Amino acid sequence: DIQLTQSPSFLSAYVGDRLTITCRASQGISSHLAWYQQKPGKAPKLLIYAASTLQSEVPSRFSGSGSGTEFTLTISSLQPEDFATYYCQQLNSYPLTFGGGTKVEIK
Amino acid sequence: EVQLVQSGAEVKKPGESLKISCKGSGYSFSTNWIGWVRQMPGKGLEWMGIIYPGDSDTRYSPSFQGQVTISADKSISTAYLQWSSLKASDTAIYYCARQSNWAYDFDYWGQGTLVTVSS
Repeated sequence: DIQLTQSPSFLSAYVGDRLTITCRASQGISSHLAWYQQKPGKAPKLLIYAASTLQSEVPSRFSGSGSGTEFTLTISSLQPEDFATYYCQQLNSYPLTFGGGTKVEIK
Repeated sequence: EVQLVQSGAEVKKPGESLKISCKGSGYSFSTNWIGWVRQMPGKGLEWMGIIYPGDSDTRYSPSFQGQVTISADKSISTAYLQWSSLKASDTAIYYCARQSNWAYDFDYWGQGTLVTVSS
């Protein structure tokens, strides 16, 4: 199985901060990576697919980059509604594993 | 509008069986894979498996193979997740999600079904 390691697992930030979350794969997955946002009590929501393509209606302050084994999700200016948990998922080979998650809280 | 609507919360005893459902609408149900994802209380997302309703081709995570059964009935646009003998450790929220046909991400999700297993 391909393991995904997200870092950090938790971070505390201010509104307006620039935020970067990293996802490292245990083996190369090309650009077969997605990012999701999950708020408490809600289903996950797709933010980015194919490592860097923004899903429809997702604000442009979200961006993704990377290929191979290292990927990043960046939020250029954190908004109050962005406080949530973020997960990466590899789509290269079964099982389609998720990272452990990064919880973003308000400082 | 694409929608996945899951069946309601369940409370079961250890050893009981259970089948939960996920009904798709707003798209051609047979032509997108449907996956199942577990989220245990306070924990992250775990990919359980996936089914192609068009021909019922199914893939399981090794962690869930033999523990659950994934099935689908394309005639009523519904996918299922079932257990033959529940354990307390099956207590979790279970999400179904549609896999996109291009990048294979989960682009639409159901609202989740809470399964509580307790004696």
